[in-house]
Amino acid sequence: EVQLVESGGGLVQPGGSLRLSCAASGFTVSSNYMSWVRQAPGKGLEWVSVIYSGGSTYYADSVKGRFTISRDNSKNTLYLQMNSLRAEDTAVYYCARTPGDYGSDLYYMDVWGKGTTVTVSS
Amino acid sequence: QLVLTQSPSASASLGASVKLTCTLSSGHSSYAIAWHQQQPEKGPRYLMKLNSDGSHSKGDGIPDRFSGSSSGAERYLTISSLQSEDEADYYCQTWGTGIGVFGGGTKLTVL
Repeated sequence: EVQLVESGGGLVQPGGSLRLSCAASGFTVSSNYMSWVRQAPGKGLEWVSVIYSGGSTYYADSVKGRFTISRDNSKNTLYLQMNSLRAEDTAVYYCARTPGDYGSDLYYMDVWGKGTTVTVSS
Repeated sequence: QLVLTQSPSASASLGASVKLTCTLSSGHSSYAIAWHQQQPEKGPRYLMKLNSDGSHSKGDGIPDRFSGSSSGAERYLTISSLQSEDEADYYCQTWGTGIGVFGGGTKLTVL
């Protein structure tokens, strides 16, 4: 069964750091594009970051320079290292497999995890 | 700038049909999108990808009641024979150069 399970969320003070993990089963993380998407309380979905199968990484402007996406191929796990956290980073963080539809250049999230909650507060 | 615009809310009666709209920003009318559903207190679920010509491909297990269509810069999600479990937030999503983009979401209420 194809599945994603996030972990690592919690309460952290402003300026602190946290590393989120996303364990995959049923497919190989390194062969796929993988994204992080977040949802602030009562708000919509916001794309955060992607790592391509080739290793290239991209970030939303709101997290650029503070967050780092990576993967461990031996553990089939995706990560999001979050530094210099702010109150506005408070959200549920989802990881998602992000395959491409090469006929249309669309990349889309076809498998989602259940999310892990990050709260940034003093 | 690539932007997706959705109406914040929609409502329809149990057993009826509803058509949700996602509008692509100027200059991006040829872009394909994906639709995602988020039921209350749950994570998102992929519904389908939808091309500019209206052709679409649904995710595994998505009922036939869900369909997609396109016209110009508008992308539609139609849900027929509405059921109570269809009450959810619906998001459209597309992809720019190295970035994902979501619409603001439409909250669907089933009356």
